[in-house]
Parts: sequence; structure tokens; C-alpha cells
Amino acid sequence: GNSVTQMEGPVTLSEEAFLTINCTYTATGYPSLFWYVQYPGEGLQLLLKATKADDKGSNKGFEATYRKETTSFHLEKGSVQVSDSAVYFCAVTRGSYIPTFGRGTSLIVHP
Amino acid sequence: GAVVSQHPSWVICKSGTSVKIECRSLDFQATTMFWYRQFPKQSLMLMATSNEGSKATYEQGVEKDKFLINHASLTLSTLTVTSAHPEDSSFYICSARDDGANTEAFFGQGTRLTVV
Repeated sequence: GNSVTQMEGPVTLSEEAFLTINCTYTATGYPSLFWYVQYPGEGLQLLLKATKADDKGSNKGFEATYRKETTSFHLEKGSVQVSDSAVYFCAVTRGSYIPTFGRGTSLIVHP
Repeated sequence: GAVVSQHPSWVICKSGTSVKIECRSLDFQATTMFWYRQFPKQSLMLMATSNEGSKATYEQGVEKDKFLINHASLTLSTLTVTSAHPEDSSFYICSARDDGANTEAFFGQGTRLTVV
């Protein structure tokens, strides 16, 4: 079945620092890839997605590129803000859009 | 955009009682909804797929008699935790797919269940 491996957190950064959260996956066929964000005490919100190889998903300054050759979908942001503090989940679809999630990476941004 | 609403947001109940959590798609129809469980600082575990008008499909290791799922309409699925125990305390999240759009599922805000 599908699986997702994310870098362990927490990732602690100062405001305006560059962010990278690594994500690699295993999947059969041609999956779609997602990044979700979860703020404290809330559900998941879709942050960005990519549906085929070499696609770049982007939203709110975050971006990730679907790299089939390295089976990766690393999340990046050039300048993080305190409000970006949250848990980020990488996910790959299985069949009928049922995502398989990574363990999540906590991001803490200090002023 | 598509909105999925869960109710309640949090609930505290006594051991042995049952708790019902509702998941509603507010502006779209959803033949299929999904229920997840999230342990502290861990990922989401898919518990079951809820299908309107038919029985839910449970993931391996999930007790169907413990976690009753009913999907009686195209906009509502319910999860009932029966005879709850402290180990059932967790964060439960539902998601729903829009029948009329070829997109990913949308997530509710989650329900924090605490069994005392």
C-alpha cells in the first residue's frame, strides 16, 4: 500500500527564515500528492496539491514540486511567519481520493 | 468553498456511556465520508469509510461494534462511540468528498473526545 515518510519535528525557526519540510512517498500507479496544515485544536486544511509529475503546488507562499524520480514532495517557504506555526502533514492518495498521511511535522516559528 | 462541519467540537463523557459525533457537508452532497482518529502528536488513522445507504467499510483493527457509523443522507454521517472507555479518548476527524466535483475530500474541524 501507499506510505509517506516525513522528517521528524519539531522544526523551530525564527521569523523570516527559510523553511523546508521533507516528504517522500511510496505508491503504486500515479498518485496525487498533498500538503495539509493543522492549527492547534482544529481539523485539517488543504494547503496545496500536485496531481502529476513535475507539477508545482503553491499557496500562501508555500510550494512543493512533485518529483517522481525521487518520489518526493518537499514543502518550502522562503520566509516564514509566526502565524505559520502549525503541524504539517504530507499525504498521498489511495484509490478514491482516500489520503494516506505522514506522521506530521510540527513547525514552531519564533518572533 | 466546500465546508464540512463536525459537531460537537469537544465532548467529555463518563466511562460506559455512548457518544455521537456528527459530520455534515454544508454545501455539497457526499455519498462517501471518512472517519479518522488522531492520537496526540501522531498522524491521522483512517478508521472507516462511510457510504450513504449502505454499511460502512472499516479498516483492519477497527471494531465496528465499538464505532458505529450511520450515513443516512447525502449530507450527514454519524460516528457513535459505544460504551466509551478512557482509551477511546482522542481527536476524531471526518472528511467528505463532493459527489459533483472531481476533487479531494474536505475535512471537518474535528471533535475532541475525553472519556473520564
